[in-house]
Amino acid sequence: DADVTQTPRNRITKTGKRIMLECSQTKGHDRMYWYRQDPGLGLRLIYYSFDVKDINKGEISDGYSVSRQAQAKFSLSLESAIPNQTALYFCATSDPSQGKETQYFGPGTRLLVL
Amino acid sequence: KQEVTQIPAALSVPEGENLVLNCSFTDSAIYNLQWFRQDPGKGLTSLLLIQSSQREQTSGRLNASLDKSSGRSTLYIAASQPGDSATYLCAVEGSQGNLIFGKGTKLSVKP
Repeated sequence: DADVTQTPRNRITKTGKRIMLECSQTKGHDRMYWYRQDPGLGLRLIYYSFDVKDINKGEISDGYSVSRQAQAKFSLSLESAIPNQTALYFCATSDPSQGKETQYFGPGTRLLVL
Repeated sequence: KQEVTQIPAALSVPEGENLVLNCSFTDSAIYNLQWFRQDPGKGLTSLLLIQSSQREQTSGRLNASLDKSSGRSTLYIAASQPGDSATYLCAVEGSQGNLIFGKGTKLSVKP
């Protein structure tokens, strides 16, 4: 079973709709991240969380919100989706206590906003 | 602001060739540098992580080097195979624990 899972894997929505992307992990890591990937722009950080009580904005947080429901769950919401939020979204986890902060990525959610 | 650049953007080589992918970063104050592989439509797989105090890491046919003072890293792939075809991403860890990515090098290894 995958250590980091994302649901849904694909989503088509309309402008103005509210949607939620979910991420779950079984690695027991405290740190979780949301990135988006756009062609020609690489991956950019949206939000990150170092533990359940800690939420931080990343490079491109406008138009997004997050919820860290538990250590294992980190959700990303688009309150009112717009077409330029069409992208591939990745969740990732890491555990600095291991001495090496390798980040482990989920399979991604492909979002299309019409 | 940290910026990560990868050159070339795309590379096509015949099977069996040794190759080098390049990554440069503007701020040498990094905690570590990671190389990832991404297959089309898939997530990222971590290949190698080099701590800021290290000079290189090796895994199988892959060798990554780090020169913090010059802001450069290279990923060396020996005896390339068609299965190595993918996009390779370089990322440095920022002061907040997040990763800052380059745009990647798309590698195609032809049989």
